[in-house]
Amino acid sequence: AQKVTQAQTEISVVEKEDVTLDCVYETRDTTYYLFWYKQPPSGELVFLIRRNSFDEQNEISGRYSWNFQKSTSSFNFTITASQVVDSAVYFCALSEETSGSRLTFGEGTQLTVNP
Amino acid sequence: DAGVIQSPRHEVTEMGQEVTLRCKPISGHNSLFWYRQTMMRGLELLIYFNNNVPIDDSGMPEDRFSAKMPNASFSTLKIQPSEPRDSAVYFCASSSNPVRSQYFGPGTRLLVL
Repeated sequence: AQKVTQAQTEISVVEKEDVTLDCVYETRDTTYYLFWYKQPPSGELVFLIRRNSFDEQNEISGRYSWNFQKSTSSFNFTITASQVVDSAVYFCALSEETSGSRLTFGEGTQLTVNP
Repeated sequence: DAGVIQSPRHEVTEMGQEVTLRCKPISGHNSLFWYRQTMMRGLELLIYFNNNVPIDDSGMPEDRFSAKMPNASFSTLKIQPSEPRDSAVYFCASSSNPVRSQYFGPGTRLLVL
């Protein structure tokens, strides 16, 4: 069965600090997809990134970067030089090819960036 | 381009009433998903459709919940009769195919009194 664990329930940082959100997943499939979503205080879910299990190349998008390591079943998310607008709940999610399109979400990490 | 559209954005109703939530997916997307978000259970998939056909409804909590997708641009999630424990935020999402990235609507915040 697929499972996603986000051990950090809440993180609080000061603006301009770097912060890493951890995500550990469990799956028996060899083909799977990992996602990060952002849920700001307004409540919508914003898609950030999707990776497939065959692509371990790390990705950078502006201040955001993602580190995918199959050896440790982790897909961590780093925000560099955090800003107040980054304050949100961040969800990691997993989809197994054999489970169809069922997205299994982690519990989420509440990130608060203080000025 | 318009994203996923959901209506209503907020719904307050009394126990026993019928509730209908509506979703319009992104044009061209042929997979549609309904999720529910609660403090206790987090985000959970209720049902998903591919090409208007329900593929996986194992997450639908009970017979009081039903979902339809009569055409590629419209889906409904109905709760009849509603109960206080159904209070949650209901999200609709769509994607261009089942394993592609899912894009979420703004959600419907449902409160059943």
